[in-house]
Amino acid sequence: QVQLVQSGAEVKKPGASVKVSCKASGYTFTSYGISWVRQAPGQGLEWMGWISAYNGNTNYAQKLQGRVTMTTDTSTSTAYMELRSLRSDDTAVYYCARQGGGGTDYWGQGTLVTVSS
Amino acid sequence: EIVLTQSPGTLSLSPGERATLSCRASQSVSSSYLAWYQQKPGQAPRLLIYGASSRATGIPDRFSGSGSGTDFTLTISRLEPEDFAVYYCQQYGSSPPWPFGQGTKVEIK
Repeated sequence: QVQLVQSGAEVKKPGASVKVSCKASGYTFTSYGISWVRQAPGQGLEWMGWISAYNGNTNYAQKLQGRVTMTTDTSTSTAYMELRSLRSDDTAVYYCARQGGGGTDYWGQGTLVTVSS
Repeated sequence: EIVLTQSPGTLSLSPGERATLSCRASQSVSSSYLAWYQQKPGQAPRLLIYGASSRATGIPDRFSGSGSGTDFTLTISRLEPEDFAVYYCQQYGSSPPWPFGQGTKVEIK
């Protein structure tokens, strides 16, 4: 069965960086992309960006350009999302999800990132 | 960039009633790339509908999607207790960005 397992919760200070991992199993990793979506407390879903696991092509939300980097390691079927220069409004649950022609069909369990001094 | 606007913000209904949720796009969206998700508190979103009208694996047939162009609808024919949740639409066209609507909360009346 398809599974996406994310790394654990993080607490960071303003200005620091965080890197969240997402290990995929149960499907051919390079046949799909990975989207990253975040959700601030009590708020809606915010699309952060996408990476092709096939060739590493990326597309990031304009508001995060310059602060976010998405990568994959095909040898371990793992995707990563790094967010730099963290601010308090980056506090959110971060999700990875499998992206295909049929939408975002499988989601990780979410990783809570708290930014606090 | 396409903006998706969902209405109403909150829908108060009783179990057994019909729910009709709207998603309007600021410009035309290919019907092949409009999805609906359900999210319950503390859980990750779950894909309900893709391609505007195709149910995802394991989704009950009381959920249906319709629409084209700029206007899309998610209908829940008879609300079950487990259907009270927040619903989001998303366009995931041929190239990013792929924004979400702001969500509609379906709550028990």
